Amino acid sequence: KAGVTQTPRYLIKTRGQQVTLSCSPISGHRSVSWYQQTPGQGLQFLFEYFSETQRNKGNFPGRFSGRQFSNSRSEMNVSTLELGDSALYLCASSSVTGTPLHFGNGTRLTVT
Amino acid sequence: GDSVTQMEGPVTLSEEAFLTINCTYTATGYPSLFWYVQYPGEGLQLLLKATKADDKGSNKGFEATYRKETTSFHLEKGSVQVSDSAVYFCALSKETSGSRLTFGEGTQLTVNP
Repeated sequence: KAGVTQTPRYLIKTRGQQVTLSCSPISGHRSVSWYQQTPGQGLQFLFEYFSETQRNKGNFPGRFSGRQFSNSRSEMNVSTLELGDSALYLCASSSVTGTPLHFGNGTRLTVT
Repeated sequence: GDSVTQMEGPVTLSEEAFLTINCTYTATGYPSLFWYVQYPGEGLQLLLKATKADDKGSNKGFEATYRKETTSFHLEKGSVQVSDSAVYFCALSKETSGSRLTFGEGTQLTVNP
């Protein structure tokens, strides 16, 4: 069974731009969560989607948004990028909400 | 709010040494507790979990026991290998929070041959 796939692996953007990250969960998994990992703040929860509905949201500004499609694939979008948005963005999936998460290898976003 | 605190790192050990990484938590209710491991350039992998008090999670020689009285979930391994070098994260989740995990700061483990 293929694991969680995140694309692209690396991104370099300029301040003020926007970016979209993609995540394909494990086949059959309907819950997708997103996390931001930085050296200063560690791992922080962004949001969770289940059956195309956002179920939980972390404490991030409205510039961070996401969505989930009917095939459970998910995207997250960050608008008006700031230098502090540079991070590793991790996607995780689970069969149903609350069960152990399976993580992808992440997308490394660098904002210059 | 809920929080997880891990021992300050990094930790450097020689091969075959005993490993302990301390983890304590603050949470209302009855959280589930996890240890995740992150190898360089990769995402997180679930190492072990425990869902109720006195449960012991174990995997690949690693163990951790859910101690409600001390709100702790310390990770141990009797004999570490070079291949265990990675960052280890303690985390908790609550039934009411879906798939939301609260992570500790992470502990970098380096095992020297």
